[in-house]
Amino acid sequence: SQQGEEDPQALSIQEGENATMNCSYKTSINNLQWYRQNSGRGLVHLILIRSNEREKHSGRLRVTLDTSKKSSSLLITASRAADTASYFCATDVGTGGFKTIFGAGTRLFVKA
Amino acid sequence: DTGVSQNPRHKITKRGQNVTFRCDPISEHNRLYWYRQTLGQGPEFLTYFQNEAQLEKSRLLSDRFSAERPKGSFSTLEIQRTEQGDSAMYLCASSAGYGYTFGSGTRLTVV
Repeated sequence: SQQGEEDPQALSIQEGENATMNCSYKTSINNLQWYRQNSGRGLVHLILIRSNEREKHSGRLRVTLDTSKKSSSLLITASRAADTASYFCATDVGTGGFKTIFGAGTRLFVKA
Repeated sequence: DTGVSQNPRHKITKRGQNVTFRCDPISEHNRLYWYRQTLGQGPEFLTYFQNEAQLEKSRLLSDRFSAERPKGSFSTLEIQRTEQGDSAMYLCASSAGYGYTFGSGTRLTVV
C-alpha cells in the first residue's frame, strides 16, 4: 500500500513558471523526502525534511511540512525543461523509521 | 564507487521461468532495499536488509520471491515460476541512514 498521495497527478507549465506539488500521508512519520524520476530511470533523492522542521530549501527547491495536516508541498521555482520528470514524496515508517513508502507521484512537464 | 548497480537492465522471460536479478550497492551502505514499480505508480516496498539480515518483507513478496544478501554485500532477488503480473521495474536502493541511492532498475517483461 502507498502511504503518500500526491496532488496533482500531472502538471504542465511553461519554462520559468513555478511548480507546486502537494503530498498527503496517513500515519505519523519520522521524516518526509522528495525524489525525482526521469522516464525509465531510477529515483534521485532531492531533499529530506524532518518531522520537527516546517520548511527547508535547497537551490530552487522549497519544501514545507505540516504534521498537523499530514501534508507536505514541493515548490520548484523558475522551472526549466530539464525539470520534466515524475516527483514522489516518501515517508519513513516502521521500526527505526528505515522503511520508506512512496506515493504515486506527480508527473511534471515543463514546456520550453 | 559509481553508485548502485543493477543487472541486467532488461529481462524478457517466458511465463513459468525463474529469473534472478542482482544489485551491487554503494560499498559503505549497510542497508539495501528492493522495490517494484509498475507504469504510472510509485515504487512499492518489497524487502530490506541491514547488512546480511533481511529485516522486513512486504506481503507483496509471495512465496515465489526470495531475496538474499550474502555477507552483507551484493543482493539477489529471485522470482520463481514467473507470471505476467510480475512484469514491472525492479529497483534496488542502498542507504547508510536517511535518503536512498537508487540503481537504474531491472525491467522485467513476462510473456
